[in-house]
Amino acid sequence: GAVVSQHPSWVICKSGTSVKIECRSLDFQATTMFWYRQFPKQSLMLMATSNEGSKATYEQGVEKDKFLINHASLTLSTLTVTSAHPEDSSFYICSAIQAQTYEQYFGPGTRLTVT
Amino acid sequence: GESVGLHLPTLSVQEGDNSIINCAYSNSASDYFIWYKQESGKGPQFIIDIRSNMDKRQGQRVTVLLNKTVKHLSLQIAATQPGDSAVYFCAERGGADGLTFGKGTHLIIQP
Repeated sequence: GAVVSQHPSWVICKSGTSVKIECRSLDFQATTMFWYRQFPKQSLMLMATSNEGSKATYEQGVEKDKFLINHASLTLSTLTVTSAHPEDSSFYICSAIQAQTYEQYFGPGTRLTVT
Repeated sequence: GESVGLHLPTLSVQEGDNSIINCAYSNSASDYFIWYKQESGKGPQFIIDIRSNMDKRQGQRVTVLLNKTVKHLSLQIAATQPGDSAVYFCAERGGADGLTFGKGTHLIIQP
């Protein structure tokens, strides 16, 4: 089946620094990728929709200047958490929609801890 | 979309019994529904899906039922095994948007 990878799988950063998370579709082209955030014992919440070559669409309440999304190619989207704070600590999960089938595949997630 | 609670509901079943996990969805315009399994520290894993023009779909040991009248979705797992222990989420999609996930249910298999 189609595979989506995320890098890094976990990261610890200091408050005030920025961290970049990559999401790659390994064996298919993804015109659309999504970024979700999941706090402990909670559900996944959609943060933004990322379309290749265009600006991301953010869900209500998600700061676009804080969570920078770049979808530069059909296989790569990046999420940069800028000026991270401890409350940004969460599990960030991306998913990608295969262009031909429109099926959605999830990455394994990235655990971000801000100290 | 669905609201997110602070605590996941828990369903505890004996190994070998059948499990039924329920989900209420909110968007009557949603036309596609999916059940995901999520193990601790991992991303969601696809289990089974159903489109709004169907009311039942069966897979291997799993069955999804859709009741559009009351906006209810259920996942039935037959003969549960220890490996079925996980959090199960339903998700809905309307159009080209990202998925809206339900609150999740923590399934615990008792030996």
